[in-house]
Order: sequence, then C-alpha cells, then structure tokens
Amino acid sequence: GNSVTQMEGPVTLSEEAFLTINCTYTATGYPSLFWYVQYPGEGLQLLLKATKADDKGSNKGFEATYRKETTSFHLEKGSVQVSDSAVYFCALSDRPGRRALTFGSGTRLQVQP
Amino acid sequence: EPEVTQTPSHQVTQMGQEVILRCVPISNHLYFYWYRQILGQKVEFLVSFYNNEISEKSEIFDDQFSVERPDGSNFTLKIRSTKLEDSAMYFCASIRTEGNTEAFFGQGTRLTVV
Repeated sequence: GNSVTQMEGPVTLSEEAFLTINCTYTATGYPSLFWYVQYPGEGLQLLLKATKADDKGSNKGFEATYRKETTSFHLEKGSVQVSDSAVYFCALSDRPGRRALTFGSGTRLQVQP
Repeated sequence: EPEVTQTPSHQVTQMGQEVILRCVPISNHLYFYWYRQILGQKVEFLVSFYNNEISEKSEIFDDQFSVERPDGSNFTLKIRSTKLEDSAMYFCASIRTEGNTEAFFGQGTRLTVV
C-alpha cells in the first residue's frame, strides 16, 4: 500500500534560517505529491504540488522537487518567517480525485524571532 | 473564493450518543471525503463519496460510521454510538473532478467524546 514518511518534529528555527523537511514515499505507479500546511486552529491548506517526476512545486517561497529515483519530495525554504510556524504534511495520491490522499505524520515548525 | 464549510466547529457528546457532522462542499465539486486527525497524530482517510455512493473506505470506517448527501449540498458523517477513541478533528474535503489534484479542506469539526 501507499505510505508517506516525514521527518520527526518539532523543528525549531530562528527567523531567516534555511528550512528542510524531509519526505519520502512508497506508492504504486506514479503518484502526485503534495505538501499541505495547517496553521494553528485552522484546517489543511494546499501549499504546493508536483504531479510527475522532476516537477518542482513552489508557493510562498517554499519549494519541493519530485525525485522519483529517491522517492522523495523534500520541502525547502531559503528564509523562514515567524508566520511560517505551522504543521506541514506531506501527502500523495496515486489517482487524484478517485482515490484519497495518504498523509505523512506531519512536522511541526516553530520559527522564533 | 469558494470554500468548504463545516459545522459545528466543536461538538462535545457523551459516549454512546449519535453525532452528525455536517459539511457543505464547494458547489461544482464531485468528489467528497472525510478524514480525521486524532490529536497529535497523522491525518487519516475515512471515506470517499462520488455519484451518491461510497467509492472507497478505510478500515477505520466501520459499521458505526455512515455518510450521506441528503439534499445535493450537504455531506454528512454520522457516528451512531460514539466511543472515547472517536475524539478527533474531523475534516471534510472535496475535489472538482477525477484527475484534479487539489483537494479543498474545511476548517474541521473537533469532536470530544466524554
């Protein structure tokens, strides 16, 4: 079956530090990959996505590249802000729409001023 | 911007009681989902719904759970006899069409079973 593994949190960084949150996956076929973000007290929001190998998803300064050879989709940001403090979830779907998302366990990011 | 809305935002219920969680998906979306997140744990898939029937369900979605789209706009999750371990945040999501990759999530309903 499908699975997503994320690095354990919490991750605590100072403002303007570089962020990497690792994500690897196991799936049949060629899944679409996603990062969702959950700000305190809110629901899940799509942050970025990539639908095929070597695609790079990007949004709000965050980036992730779909690496089929290493089955990875690591999230990066060059300079984090306090407002980026949230829980980040890596997810995949091997049949978007018809089949549900499989989520990783989430990584809490705390950015200190 | 269209959004998925869920009500109530928080519900407290006694063990053994029935609860109904309500969701209004985005109006032109065709695929609907319920997920749950037990505090501090991962988001888990419960059920997907398309064309007025369940298209997929997880092992969590046992006989005490049911879903319904009673009137073409609401999408409900019913838990017949709640247990303490049903306490979680429940998220509704919708997708416009098959192959569309962006799922829109509601704000969630926090269910507390006492």
